[in-house]
Amino acid sequence: DQQVKQNSPSLSVQEGRISILNCDYTNSMFDYFLWYKKYPAEGPTFLISISSIKDKNEDGRFTVFLNKSAKHLSLHIVPSQPGDSAVYFCPPPYGGSQGNLIFGKGTKLSVKP
Amino acid sequence: NAGVTQTPKFRILKIGQSMTLQCAQDMNHNYMYWYRQDPGMGLKLIYYSVGAGITDKGEVPNGYNVSRSTTEDFPLRLELAAPSQTSVYFCASRQLREENSPLHFGNGTRLTVT
Repeated sequence: DQQVKQNSPSLSVQEGRISILNCDYTNSMFDYFLWYKKYPAEGPTFLISISSIKDKNEDGRFTVFLNKSAKHLSLHIVPSQPGDSAVYFCPPPYGGSQGNLIFGKGTKLSVKP
Repeated sequence: NAGVTQTPKFRILKIGQSMTLQCAQDMNHNYMYWYRQDPGMGLKLIYYSVGAGITDKGEVPNGYNVSRSTTEDFPLRLELAAPSQTSVYFCASRQLREENSPLHFGNGTRLTVT
C-alpha cells in the first residue's frame, strides 16, 4: 500500500523567511512526487514535482528535496510571501493499480507579514 | 481550454432530497476523481474512474453514486441527502496512468444539507 504522511498540520513563518514542509513515505515504488497548493474556496493546483532519480528540483522560490534513504520529501519556499499562505499536499502520485489517489489533510502554511 | 468545470457552485438541499453534481473536463483525460473537503479537514476521495464505463470506490463512497458514460463527464449523484454530506466537493482529472501527470481540479461545489 502506498502511504505518504504529512505530520505537521500547520506551519507559521514570517514573511521573507524560509518555509519547510515535510512528507514521509513508506513505499519506495515511486517514480515521481507531486506537490499541490490549495487556497480557500478554490481547487488544489499543481505546484512542483520531483523524479525519484533526482534529489532536488527547483522552480523559482520553490525547491523540493527527496531523501530516498530516509524516505523523506520536503518543500522549501524561499523567501516566503503572504501569498504563499495555503494548504500544501504531497499525495502519492497514484495508488494501487487503478489510480486510487488519496490526498489527506495537508499542511496549512501561514506566512505573516 | 476550460479545464475542469463543476456545476453548480453552490447548492442548499433539504434532508432526503437528491441532486447531481456535474463535472466536465475538456482535456481528454482518462482518470477522473471526486473528493470532498469538510471544514478544517483534508480531501477525502469519494469515487474515481479510470475511463468511460469504469468506476471504483474511494475512501468515503457511502451515500453517493457515480457514472462515467463519456470521457468528458463524471457526475456525482446524492440520492438521499443527509447533513453529514454538507461539504465542498471537488472534481479532478488527470491524463492516463503517468506518475508525473498532475491532477487538474475544478473550483468546487459547496453543498449544504439542512
